[in-house]
Amino acid sequence: DADVTQTPRNRITKTGKRIMLECSQTKGHDRMYWYRQDPGLGLRLIYYSFDVKDINKGEISDGYSVSRQAQAKFSLSLESAIPNQTALYFCATSDSLRTGGYEQYFGPGTRLTVT
Amino acid sequence: QKEVEQNSGPLSVPEGAIASLNCTYSDRGSQSFFWYRQYSGKSPELIMSIYSNGDKEDGRFTAQLNKASQYVSLLIRDSQPSDSATYLCAVNWYGQNFVFGPGTRLSVLP
Repeated sequence: DADVTQTPRNRITKTGKRIMLECSQTKGHDRMYWYRQDPGLGLRLIYYSFDVKDINKGEISDGYSVSRQAQAKFSLSLESAIPNQTALYFCATSDSLRTGGYEQYFGPGTRLTVT
Repeated sequence: QKEVEQNSGPLSVPEGAIASLNCTYSDRGSQSFFWYRQYSGKSPELIMSIYSNGDKEDGRFTAQLNKASQYVSLLIRDSQPSDSATYLCAVNWYGQNFVFGPGTRLSVLP
């Protein structure tokens, strides 16, 4: 089984709808991240969480919210979806232990289309 | 604003050649450096990490770090068509957030 899973893998929704993307991990990492990727713009950080009680905004948090339900689960919500939120969304995890070198591991991604 | 820069490519090399991918970063306080490979429509896959100056080899891959020049590179020896992908450079500051470069698209021609 994959260490980092995301659901759904593909989603088409309409403008104004609220949607939630979910991420689960079995790697035992305490840090979790949400990124979006747009063609030509690379990976941009939306939100990150260093533990269950520590949630922080990233570079492009406007229009998004998150919930860290447990160490292994981190959800991203779009409160009112708009077409420019059409993108590929990735969840990632990393270990806070220095010996782990903070290597980051990615889920398979969710392709979101807002019409 | 911390920045990571890469040539967008595409970089084309013939099969069997050495592919050289370059990355520069803006913050001298950077500690950890990573190379990810990403196939189209797929998630980034970690292929190399490097933390100290010099070279680190893993199979056909060699990462090179020069902190004085704020430069990290990835060499791929004996390039194969399956190496055709986008390569992302990422930098981490003191265990905080990662910053990714825009990626270099590599094409290995049979």
